[in-house]
Amino acid sequence: DTGVSQNPRHKITKRGQNVTFRCDPISEHNRLYWYRQTLGQGPEFLTYFQNEAQLEKSRLLSDRFSAERPKGSFSTLEIQRTEQGDSAMYLCASSPLAVSREDEQYFGPGTRLTVT
Amino acid sequence: AQTVTQSQPEMSVQEAETVTLSCTYDTSESDYYLFWYKQPPSRQMILVIRQEAYKQQNATENRFSVNFQKAAKSFSLKISDSQLGDAAMYFCAYTPRNTGTASKLTFGTGTRL
Repeated sequence: DTGVSQNPRHKITKRGQNVTFRCDPISEHNRLYWYRQTLGQGPEFLTYFQNEAQLEKSRLLSDRFSAERPKGSFSTLEIQRTEQGDSAMYLCASSPLAVSREDEQYFGPGTRLTVT
Repeated sequence: AQTVTQSQPEMSVQEAETVTLSCTYDTSESDYYLFWYKQPPSRQMILVIRQEAYKQQNATENRFSVNFQKAAKSFSLKISDSQLGDAAMYFCAYTPRNTGTASKLTFGTGTRL
């Protein structure tokens, strides 16, 4: 297992189109997080899954955003009717459920979205 | 709301020298975790070091060590014997310790080394 993977690595889309990103966490990690990182800023929390359950969503996650984690394995993040303000790096992270290590998040390489 | 502040947008250091990156945070929680993450150019974010707030001893990981001042809400990262591979964006991050619930991270704006 080589870590968290994300696909695609880059996505260019036209305003108004829908896009979907995929994240494959480290296999034994129960928790999965999505963050968004804009240029010159630190990542901002979007949403969190424990197994297949989406337990928390940020106010940053508008109605155009939806995330799923079927079967508690990989996760998808979909953005509908993209806007130029959605241009950012979308990061996925996972962490184990073990109490002693639940806070250690391991990040994927991210998907860079450009909306033209 | 918790906030994390990194007041140094950019720092430089010569090879083999030591550099310290600053971070302050604001929280009303008494138990939490603090982290330093490294993000090399076009590469993924890597956990550098982790500090548990209830532990007074400062964390160390090889050439990386922290100076954790809980009362001052300060958490600086010291990199000793700096190497070319240390060049990256460094982010300070915070999460409250909530056993069994989400450990979402709050990040600072980063320091480019």
